[in-house]
Amino acid sequence: GESVGLHLPTLSVQEGDNSIINCAYSNSASDYFIWYKQESGKGPQFIIDIRSNMDKRQGQRVTVLLNKTVKHLSLQIAATQPGDSAVYFCAENYDGSSNTGKLIFGQGTTLQVKP
Amino acid sequence: DGGITQSPKYLFRKEGQNVTLSCEQNLNHDAMYWYRQDPGQGLRLIYYSQIVNDFQKGDIAEGYSVSREKKESFPLTVTSAQKNPTAFYLCASTIGDTEAFFGQGTRLTVV
Repeated sequence: GESVGLHLPTLSVQEGDNSIINCAYSNSASDYFIWYKQESGKGPQFIIDIRSNMDKRQGQRVTVLLNKTVKHLSLQIAATQPGDSAVYFCAENYDGSSNTGKLIFGQGTTLQVKP
Repeated sequence: DGGITQSPKYLFRKEGQNVTLSCEQNLNHDAMYWYRQDPGQGLRLIYYSQIVNDFQKGDIAEGYSVSREKKESFPLTVTSAQKNPTAFYLCASTIGDTEAFFGQGTRLTVV
């Protein structure tokens, strides 16, 4: 969904704890999902992706879970570090009625890691 | 090195002026996108293009225009019709059904 007029929610965690960032996506027809990390003043960077034929995918210290029934995506970060502090966005690749795919970003979450 | 380049990094516009933001990619990606980001908020889609000489409006296209004459280039013009243009503008590209690669953004300020 969009974040028009809304400020980003914030998740504050202690260094070393696990973080879970959630995202509700818009379209049940979307078949590809991505998590991005954005540091202040920079462009978003790819973290991990998942396709709709999967419900879980693991990377280095990160895991993405997909629940298509409730259109929900989550990003789990293990042993959160100060360098993980950033804004995190989920994105869905949606083929609309024009059959041309486009990336739609969900509302981001600010992750603050306390030392 | 392949990548996506936005320029300039900072841009100042006077009231009533049109300005053009540059986005170039050498990744041989088919699709390119422009997003707007306001402070403390998410990304909103302005325009996107799946192939050369074709583009579609995103959610907030009013006051903006684009062109896609070359695969590598997708410039965005912020026209005088855009009443609140101060924002961070991000360009991205994709090939097929894969993740988007982003530029480092252009921060536009109205003076």
